[in-house]
Amino acid sequence: QSVLTQPPSVSGAPGQTITIACTGSRSNIGSVYDVHWYRQLPGSAPKLLIYGNTDRPSGVPDRFSASKSGTSASLTITGLQADDEAVYFCQSYDTSLMFFGGGTKLTVL
Amino acid sequence: EVQLLESGGGLGQPGGSLRLSCELSGFTFNNFAMTWVRQVPGKGLEWVSSISSSGTTTYYADSVKGRFTISRDNSRNTLYLQMNSLRVEDTALYYCAKHQEILHYYAMDVWGQGTTVTVSS
Repeated sequence: QSVLTQPPSVSGAPGQTITIACTGSRSNIGSVYDVHWYRQLPGSAPKLLIYGNTDRPSGVPDRFSASKSGTSASLTITGLQADDEAVYFCQSYDTSLMFFGGGTKLTVL
Repeated sequence: EVQLLESGGGLGQPGGSLRLSCELSGFTFNNFAMTWVRQVPGKGLEWVSSISSSGTTTYYADSVKGRFTISRDNSRNTLYLQMNSLRVEDTALYYCAKHQEILHYYAMDVWGQGTTVTVSS
């Protein structure tokens, strides 16, 4: 059981909007720690998608957004595209140790 | 171009040792914290260990604490992971990753392609 909980899978049609939740507790997401999001395409290393709860690295489209509230965080993808199919991981900290969510596989129908 | 290149993976025996290296190029290595993350094929990401930019502060996952040691040689732009007392469950693809700042609380913005560790008799 991961410290951070994500749904194993989500799906959406092209053009739709999906949201991936990352649920933690008061000692991790609900504390001072930031949440970061990564995307992993099959056969590739993870890639940073969102950092510091809400910020996008340069090159990441504004279709990707994220938020944090209380003990949860969420990643929203608008205008789904076929190449958004990937596994998405949230990441945060608990008593200074790093944790990842279990990952959510996004399927674009 | 910022690049991370891992090496040192391979076959290790239960109870044995391996040493992973991660060579960095394209940025000032000693300005950034570094982390090792592992992944069993088809499974999720598991954090292994992190080290601050200066090397003075290290963190370990409970699953490897006391068996693995993270270190860095800033003069050689290289990160290491000494893996002792290997277990079958240490079998995974090991990634090194660079953080955005000096501490591991910042996101990991550059990742290597990984090196495979297989522990088996």
